[in-house]
Amino acid sequence: SQKIEQNSEALNIQEGKTATLTCNYTNYSPAYLQWYRQDPGRGPVFLLLIRENEKEKRKERLKVTFDTTLKQSLFHITASQPADSATYLCALLYTGGFKTIFGAGTRLFVKA
Amino acid sequence: NAGVTQTPKFRVLKTGQSMTLLCAQDMNHEYMYWYRQDPGMGLRLIHYSVGEGTTAKGEVPDGYNVSRLKKQNFLLGLESAAPSQTSVYFCASSNRGSPPSGANVLTFGAGSRLTVL
Repeated sequence: SQKIEQNSEALNIQEGKTATLTCNYTNYSPAYLQWYRQDPGRGPVFLLLIRENEKEKRKERLKVTFDTTLKQSLFHITASQPADSATYLCALLYTGGFKTIFGAGTRLFVKA
Repeated sequence: NAGVTQTPKFRVLKTGQSMTLLCAQDMNHEYMYWYRQDPGMGLRLIHYSVGEGTTAKGEVPDGYNVSRLKKQNFLLGLESAAPSQTSVYFCASSNRGSPPSGANVLTFGAGSRLTVL
């Protein structure tokens, strides 16, 4: 079955630096790879989506890359702020499917 | 615009009791989902629905039942609760069509925390 691996250790960075989170998956590549943000006690919120045939996607301070050879996505937050502190979830969706598969998430702490 | 609303937000059950979690969405979304979230395990899909009157099993369906009698509502039932069902339950919905505006960009509710003693 498909597995998604995200770093279970929290990532601590200083304000203003770039945070980079990693998502690795096994088996076959998804049609779409998504990133969600989850704050404590709340539901996940969609951030970005990248298609199988796209290498990179940007939205404001966010950048996502997708390497189907390495079976990996990197999620970058540039000029990070304390308000970016949250858990970030990677999710995969396959062609023709209705089921989105989630990783366990990586906790990000941005210190002022 | 409320989005996805889950009730109740918190519930404590004794082993063997039954209960229903209600999910309501006001975005006219076709698809609805129930996930559970446990520490270190991420979100796991329990059941989902691609339209009114239809349901399907997800990754961890045992011990749960669902119904979607109206397009805007998706109910998750526990017939005989077990301690292993202690978790945070999230409902989500999505629209039909191509991303990014369409299928499977999920909108989540705030979650329902269930404790089974």
